[in-house]
Amino acid sequence: DAKTTQPTSMDCAEGRAANLPCNHSTISGNEYVYWYRQIHSQGPQYIIHGLKNNETNEMASLIITEDRKSSTLILPHATLRDTAVYYCIVRVADSGNTPLVFGKGTRLSVIA
Amino acid sequence: DSGVTQTPKHLITATGQRVTLRCSPRSGDLSVYWYQQSLDQGLQFLIQYYNGEERAKGNILERFSAQQFPDLHSELNLSSLELGDSALYFCASSARLGMNTEAFFGQGTRLTVV
Repeated sequence: DAKTTQPTSMDCAEGRAANLPCNHSTISGNEYVYWYRQIHSQGPQYIIHGLKNNETNEMASLIITEDRKSSTLILPHATLRDTAVYYCIVRVADSGNTPLVFGKGTRLSVIA
Repeated sequence: DSGVTQTPKHLITATGQRVTLRCSPRSGDLSVYWYQQSLDQGLQFLIQYYNGEERAKGNILERFSAQQFPDLHSELNLSSLELGDSALYFCASSARLGMNTEAFFGQGTRLTVV
């Protein structure tokens, strides 16, 4: 079973920041938080991941609370092409390449 | 482009038949994962191979099998196909064991069983 809880759906106006929350209250100290998205029926696309510090890359920012029980993915300027299902996943770090276990994700609709 | 190549992109076959899906991982990636996504369903992990050896197993049916070859490409074999096996099948790859690296996905094979 997925170890994260996400809202089923969210809307965001084009050009505004999209803030996608994720609850992972049972996360262990050796688990990372990963975010992926799936646009329509394409292959899931990696966005970002982090352990405890906030992370930023060219796609998004990841804010992890100090207790690590929740996180927020931020798309700073959402476009119509960001409409997708966003998955928050916790994954063990110490054993390397453990499989990603996907939940139901959040369906983000960016509206013009 | 993720660098992960899956063939064929589309496959239509009849019930009871057997098919083989192929995945070429990103250059240098040793780990390959297979996922199934049925219509309006989530991504279900099926099986993982690392450097030719099975490493983890998920919800894979006994009618399904996989293997990873010395050149690191992988094949997923689906036999005695049923209508319910119609789905998108995704392959992903990631780097060496021991490094916490992200996995990259191919564009999938859409299997339709009629």
